[in-house]
Amino acid sequence: KAGVTQTPRYLIKTRGQQVTLSCSPISGHRSVSWYQQTPGQGLQFLFEYFSETQRNKGNFPGRFSGRQFSNSRSEMNVSTLELGDSALYLCASSFGGNQPQHFGDGTRLSIL
Amino acid sequence: AQKITQTQPGMFVQEKEAVTLDCTYDTSDPSYGLFWYKQPSSGEMIFLIYQGSYDQQNATEGRYSLNFQKARKSANLVISASQLGDSAMYFCAMSLRDDKIIFGKGTRLHILP
Repeated sequence: KAGVTQTPRYLIKTRGQQVTLSCSPISGHRSVSWYQQTPGQGLQFLFEYFSETQRNKGNFPGRFSGRQFSNSRSEMNVSTLELGDSALYLCASSFGGNQPQHFGDGTRLSIL
Repeated sequence: AQKITQTQPGMFVQEKEAVTLDCTYDTSDPSYGLFWYKQPSSGEMIFLIYQGSYDQQNATEGRYSLNFQKARKSANLVISASQLGDSAMYFCAMSLRDDKIIFGKGTRLHILP
C-alpha cells in the first residue's frame, strides 16, 4: 500500500515568490492535514481538509492557503514568501474520526 | 484547554535499557485518540502506536507499548530493549472529535552505545 507522497522533496525560492506543495494521501484516506516544522517553533498545524472542505485551521497568515481535490489529493500554497517560511512542510492523511495520521516525507523549503 | 505536555526535552539512555517517555494530555472530550510518532534526523514522521480513549487494554506494537492511565490523563510510551536506531525525536499527539490533532513539543531521545 503506497504511503503519503509529497512533492517536491526540496525547494529553494527567493523572498516574494510563491510556492505550491503537493500531497497525495494514502488510498481511501479523506482527511489531509498540513504542518510546518521549524527548529524554533516545533511542529505547527496549518490546516486540515476533509472531502474538499477545510475543517480546521491553525494560526497562520492568509498567505498560507490550501485546497483538496475530489481524489483527496491536496495542495498547499504560500504567497509572498518570507525568510521565516523556511521550514519542513509535512502532510499527513487519515481516515478521520480519531484515527492515526500517516505522514509523508515532507518538503524542505528554503527561502533565500 | 486541550493540550499535550511532554516534560522531557531530552533523554540519554544506555542501549538495551527500557525507556519511558512521558506524555500528559488535557481534554474534556470523552472520545479521543492518543498517538506516538518517531522523527529521525532524516525528517520523516513515523507512526508508532495508537490508543483510543475507550480502549480497555494498553496498546502494544512490538517493542513499543503505551501506558495509558486515563484517570491521570497520561499516555507514556515505553520502549523495551532500546537500540541505537531508536535515537530520534518522539512526539505525543491527541486527536479529538472534530478531527483536530494536537502535538506535544517532543522529546529527543539519545541511545548511548
